[in-house]
Amino acid sequence: ETGVTQTPRHLVMGMTNKKSLKCEQHLGHNAMYWYKQSAKKPLELMFVYSLEERVENNSVPSRFSPECPNSSHLFLHLHTLQPEDSALYLCASSQDLRGGTYEQYFGPGTRLTVT
Amino acid sequence: AQKVTQAQTEISVVEKEDVTLDCVYETRDTTYYLFWYKQPPSGELVFLIRRNSFDEQNEISGRYSWNFQKSTSSFNFTITASQVVDSAVYFCALSDADYKLSFGAGTTVTVRA
Repeated sequence: ETGVTQTPRHLVMGMTNKKSLKCEQHLGHNAMYWYKQSAKKPLELMFVYSLEERVENNSVPSRFSPECPNSSHLFLHLHTLQPEDSALYLCASSQDLRGGTYEQYFGPGTRLTVT
Repeated sequence: AQKVTQAQTEISVVEKEDVTLDCVYETRDTTYYLFWYKQPPSGELVFLIRRNSFDEQNEISGRYSWNFQKSTSSFNFTITASQVVDSAVYFCALSDADYKLSFGAGTTVTVRA
C-alpha cells in the first residue's frame, strides 16, 4: 500500500448505529487530519493530530470521536449520527504541522450515508 | 481572515481545448502558501502544486501551468490541450505558516471527447 488509505470506502448506517472509519498513511508523516466534505460546502477541517496528540478540535459535535493510536493510523468513531452528517470524510497527512512548508496528502475518502 | 474565491463553478470544454481556472485569495499575512488540488470522481484530493508568497515565478509541469500574481492576489491554473482524464473538481487553497488550509469552493471541469 502506498500513500493514504481509508476504509471503508462506502458506509451506510442508521442513526442509532456505531461505526468507525479508518485511515492509514504509509508516508512516514507525523501529522494527520480529518476533513468533512458536504455537497456545495467547502472542505471543513474537523480534527488534527500531531505525533498522536490532538491539536485541533474544530467545534465538532461529540458524536464524532477521533482516535490516533500511532502516527500511521487515525480513526473516526461515529455514534448517534444525524442525516446531515452524510458526507465524504477525507483523511490527510503531512510531514508535520508546518502546513505551508509541507503539503497535505489525502486519502480517497469514505462516503457516509446516514439513514 | 483568509479567503479563497473560485468564481467559476463549472467549466465545460471539448478535448484539446485549453482551460484556465481562476483563483483569487485574501490574506493579511506576508508569508503564505498557495495550493492546487484535483479531485477526480474517485474522491481523493490529488496534490498538484504548492507556491510560497515569495516565489512569483510561473511554473509549467507538462500540460499544467500556473500563473501567480501577487499584485492581483491571483493564482490561476491552466490546462493546455485538455483530455477527458482532466475531468475533475479542482480546488485552490491557501495557508499561512500553520497547517490550516482554506479551500475555495472548487471548479468542476468537464472535458468532452
